[in-house]
Amino acid sequence: RKEVEQDPGPFNVPEGATVAFNCTYSNSASQSFFWYRQDCRKEPKLLMSVYSSGNEDGRFTAQLNRASQYISLLIRDSKLSDSATYLCVVTPYSSASKIIFGSGTRLSIRP
Amino acid sequence: DGGITQSPKYLFRKEGQNVTLSCEQNLNHDAMYWYRQDPGQGLRLIYYSQIVNDFQKGDIAEGYSVSREKKESFPLTVTSAQKNPTAFYLCASRRDPGENTIYFGEGSWLTVV
Repeated sequence: RKEVEQDPGPFNVPEGATVAFNCTYSNSASQSFFWYRQDCRKEPKLLMSVYSSGNEDGRFTAQLNRASQYISLLIRDSKLSDSATYLCVVTPYSSASKIIFGSGTRLSIRP
Repeated sequence: DGGITQSPKYLFRKEGQNVTLSCEQNLNHDAMYWYRQDPGQGLRLIYYSQIVNDFQKGDIAEGYSVSREKKESFPLTVTSAQKNPTAFYLCASRRDPGENTIYFGEGSWLTVV
């Protein structure tokens, strides 16, 4: 089983829609969680950290469920510019030096 | 401005040749990483370094080598032993292994011809 798993998509949704995707992780002792965004042929860029109480940044909401070992990302009122691949990132307690990336979920917003 | 600089951005290599990808950061970060990304795939860890003169193998270290002689520099050599080196290579850093935010360079595209 992969340490971090994501639905690869692609998710193809109309502009203005709300879209959500999850990421599951296998190490219950994981420490920190993030969502990164990667545009085609570019480096990943931090979208937001994920806190235990859940957090929101504009149209984006991230949540963590430690009991079920998953994190989620919700995008409201999606824009064409939201089209990208979204990477789930986990840092485990056992090796704080390692950073574990999911394979990414592709999102495509259509006009 | 502080950041991570990777070079070259595009590189073509003949089979059987070694090639070195440069990664320099002026963020004063201790931890540095090299990742490989294949089309439509996630990032896979090649090597990482937590401190000068020390580095550890990642998940796919075979066919690669690194050095960390200076804090700001973490070059990656793709050797002829790497059977399928064509990929997108990303260098990353963070202040220390416990720091949350990861900074990426713009990446290097390596193509074997």
